[in-house]
Amino acid sequence: GAVVSQHPSWVICKSGTSVKIECRSLDFQATTMFWYRQFPKQSLMLMATSNEGSKATYEQGVEKDKFLINHASLTLSTLTVTSAHPEDSSFYICSARGGVRLEKLFFGSGTQLSVL
Amino acid sequence: GQQLNQSPQSMFIQEGEDVSMNCTSSSIFNTWLWYKQDPGEGPVLLIALYKAGELTSNGRLTAQFGITRKDSFLNISASIPSDVGIYFCAGQLNQAGTALIFGKGTTLSVSS
Repeated sequence: GAVVSQHPSWVICKSGTSVKIECRSLDFQATTMFWYRQFPKQSLMLMATSNEGSKATYEQGVEKDKFLINHASLTLSTLTVTSAHPEDSSFYICSARGGVRLEKLFFGSGTQLSVL
Repeated sequence: GQQLNQSPQSMFIQEGEDVSMNCTSSSIFNTWLWYKQDPGEGPVLLIALYKAGELTSNGRLTAQFGITRKDSFLNISASIPSDVGIYFCAGQLNQAGTALIFGKGTTLSVSS
C-alpha cells in the first residue's frame, strides 16, 4: 500500500537552531500534505495545509515565520522549525493525500523534536 | 475552532471484553473516521464512514456514522492485548479536501 515516509523520526537540538523535517509520499503523488503537532497524550492539532507549488495555509495561532513549510514537488513537503525553543518540543506528524477518498490519506510515522 | 468531544478518555479492560467509545460534535460532519495510534507512530486508519447512518465493520471493529451527522461510535469486540493504543475519531467538515479535525483520543489498556 501507499506509504508516507517522515524523516527524521527523532531529533534533539539546541535552543536557537533550526530543524528541518521531511515528509515524502513514496508511491503516489500528493498535491496536498498536512502538518500536525501532537503533545503527549493529546490530540493531533493541525498546523498547516501544504499545497504543491503554492504557499501553505496556516491555522490560526501558528506562526508562519516560525514554522516554514515548503512543498516543492508532488512527493515532498518539508517543515522547518526556525530558531527552535524548548516550547517547540513536540511530536510532529505529516499526512499526504493520494486521492479524494480518505482511505487515500496516509500519515507519516512522526518526528519527536526535543529542544534543549 | 471546531471540536470533537471524544469519550471516554481512557479505558482499562480485560482481554475478551467488548469496548465502546464515541465522539460528538456541535457541527455537522460529512465524513467520520476512526484511527489507532501506537506510541511514537502516526495514526493508522481503521474505518471511514461517509453516509449518515452508515454502519461499517472491519474485523472485530464496528463503527457507525450518526444520523444527525454530529456523532459516531466505535466498538471493539473480544479485545486482545494488541488492541492497546490510542484511538482517535476524526471528522471532515466538507468534501473539498479539507484537513481532518481530531478528537482528543481514547487510551485503551488491555490486561490479559
